[in-house]
Amino acid sequence: NAGVTQTPKFQVLKTGQSMTLQCAQDMNHEYMSWYRQDPGMGLRLIHYSVGAGITDQGEVPNGYNVSRSTTEDFPLRLLSAAPSQTSVYFCASRHNAEAFFGQGTRLTVV
Amino acid sequence: KNEVEQSPQNLTAQEGEFITINCSYSVGISALHWLQQHPGGGIVSLFMLSSGKKKHGRLIATINIQEKHSSLHITASHPRDSAVYICAAPPGETSGSRLTFGEGTQLTVNP
Repeated sequence: NAGVTQTPKFQVLKTGQSMTLQCAQDMNHEYMSWYRQDPGMGLRLIHYSVGAGITDQGEVPNGYNVSRSTTEDFPLRLLSAAPSQTSVYFCASRHNAEAFFGQGTRLTVV
Repeated sequence: KNEVEQSPQNLTAQEGEFITINCSYSVGISALHWLQQHPGGGIVSLFMLSSGKKKHGRLIATINIQEKHSSLHITASHPRDSAVYICAAPPGETSGSRLTFGEGTQLTVNP
């Protein structure tokens, strides 16, 4: 099915560990983004990309890296996880203002 | 100050009631999204509208571009409508603009 595929759905990390959240879309959308969702704060933009090879920072980029080597994939990397990164993460892609979201990743850093 | 403001933050209703959730924005937008998120679930796009009104089943979304205001209505509400409803706007005219989100409205519909 067409859409945004985000993995894993759940993850527990120890402080200092690294991991990559995967995001892929098969709709040929140029614009992709990563958000984190925290209680009382809504969705906040971490990083976004307007096309392959182009990425930029959002509101809360610290502690996260992204790359966009292909149009389809937009992975989010945590190089050294911290408890403050405990959150629910959503990947999204957009085309002409129509947005599609992944199912979310619930990440806990202990 | 958030550029997209939603109200109310929390809403409890009895099954069958008519529900309205409001969204005001301070930025110029090309379209506005209404999203739905069930507990522990992903985010689903309900509507994207740039003018007038859209209807899907018991859900109706309206937007007034001049007043920078949108509403989401649910008619004959049902417990399965219980979810967080989020409005989001891409500021500006370009499709590459980032989305700005409201903080969401937690709706609980009791049987």
